[in-house]
Amino acid sequence: DAKTTQPNSMESNEEEPVHLPCNHSTISGTDYIHWYRQLPSQGPEYVIHGLTSNVNNRMASLAIAEDRKSSTLILHRATLRDAAVYYCILRDGVVKAGNQFYFGTGTSLTVIP
Amino acid sequence: GAVVSQHPSRVICKSGTSVKIECRSLDFQATTMFWYRQFPKQSLMLMATSNEGSKATYEQGVEKDKFLINHASLTLSTLTVTSAHPEDSSFYICSATRQGARGNTEAFFGQGTRLTVV
Repeated sequence: DAKTTQPNSMESNEEEPVHLPCNHSTISGTDYIHWYRQLPSQGPEYVIHGLTSNVNNRMASLAIAEDRKSSTLILHRATLRDAAVYYCILRDGVVKAGNQFYFGTGTSLTVIP
Repeated sequence: GAVVSQHPSRVICKSGTSVKIECRSLDFQATTMFWYRQFPKQSLMLMATSNEGSKATYEQGVEKDKFLINHASLTLSTLTVTSAHPEDSSFYICSATRQGARGNTEAFFGQGTRLTVV
């Protein structure tokens, strides 16, 4: 699976938007872009995913660059409960045995009251 | 949505004993489950892929005789840490995947098990 690069940490003020970047310059045409987040002492939870078009759900928005070599997770109004490590993961959409998700280092988001 | 449940959430054991961790998919059948280990301030490291009805596949560097995996049903996988030592103290997380409606793979994670070996 292709590698992703994220900043180690970011800070945001509460109730302000947050843009979390992810670079994936070696993405292949069948790779989906997944975002998960991990709150302290918990397992990761799904945030959003996309392939080519921008995506919105109740948690966040995902903006995907036209060349798909980068993407940005957007939290529209950060709350203290959004403080977590955010992982950007590429996963080949071609069905095959295993379907593993490999985690990079992620971005630790601090939300300042 | 789908839920994956892990048990126990926290366990303390003596050095040299074995500990079993259970991972259940509650509302879908998972032919494949995954086990991760996470040390403090680090990312999740995939340990092994658990396959229902067959042997698990271990990542490079993971001792299969130390981390026994059993996947006897479509909803249950277990990880047994045998002869645990303090260096095995870690946060263990399981995951199960299924194919989503949009053709991608969705991954669901358990709550994690904090293992402390004393």
